[in-house]
Amino acid sequence: EDKVVQSPLSLVVHEGDTVTLNCSYEVTNFRSLLWYKQEKKAPTFLFMLTSSGIEKKSGRLSSILDKKELFSILNITATQTGDSAVYLCAVEPGGSEKLVFGKGTKLTVNP
Amino acid sequence: ETGVTQSPTHLIKTRGQQVTLRCSSQSGHNTVSWYQQALGQGPQFIFQYYREEENGRGNFPPRFSGLQFPNYSSELNVNALELDDSALYLCASTQSGGALTGELFFGEGSRLTVL
Repeated sequence: EDKVVQSPLSLVVHEGDTVTLNCSYEVTNFRSLLWYKQEKKAPTFLFMLTSSGIEKKSGRLSSILDKKELFSILNITATQTGDSAVYLCAVEPGGSEKLVFGKGTKLTVNP
Repeated sequence: ETGVTQSPTHLIKTRGQQVTLRCSSQSGHNTVSWYQQALGQGPQFIFQYYREEENGRGNFPPRFSGLQFPNYSSELNVNALELDDSALYLCASTQSGGALTGELFFGEGSRLTVL
């Protein structure tokens, strides 16, 4: 059965800190891994990774995928209170019509 | 905002009742998926609709059913509500023609509480 495990489940940091969120997975016929940010209700797309070792960056956020070790990390540097959210990791099995999500990491950034 | 709209945003039902949730997909998107997100959990795939037919289903009982209309909008129906059905129901659309190709565009969700 396809599975995504995220760690930690929750994290509290101060503004300016750097955080690393982890995502490990087991999936048949991997196609891609996606990160979403969920602040209140609608998850919003951050990154999609398909190739190992390639870093995707957007401002202070970056992510990398290791297809050999079956994990991904999401880094956030110089955190701000607006980064407080649940960060969801999901994998897309090849030939499937669904995403398989982890439970998420709840990040709280205090001023 | 993604352009995916859901209604209602909140509703309260009692055990045994039936509920219908609605979703309008983003313009140009022909595929709609529904996910259930219980408190403290990640979204779980319920089913996907493409060309007005169910195109894949997760591990949910038959009392969860859906429809897709010619304009690509969709409904999720849940019969015989149970307490465990309390969750945020997310609709997502994509222009993937039934095959998932990555990014899903989510609506704001419908928060269902079953008492």
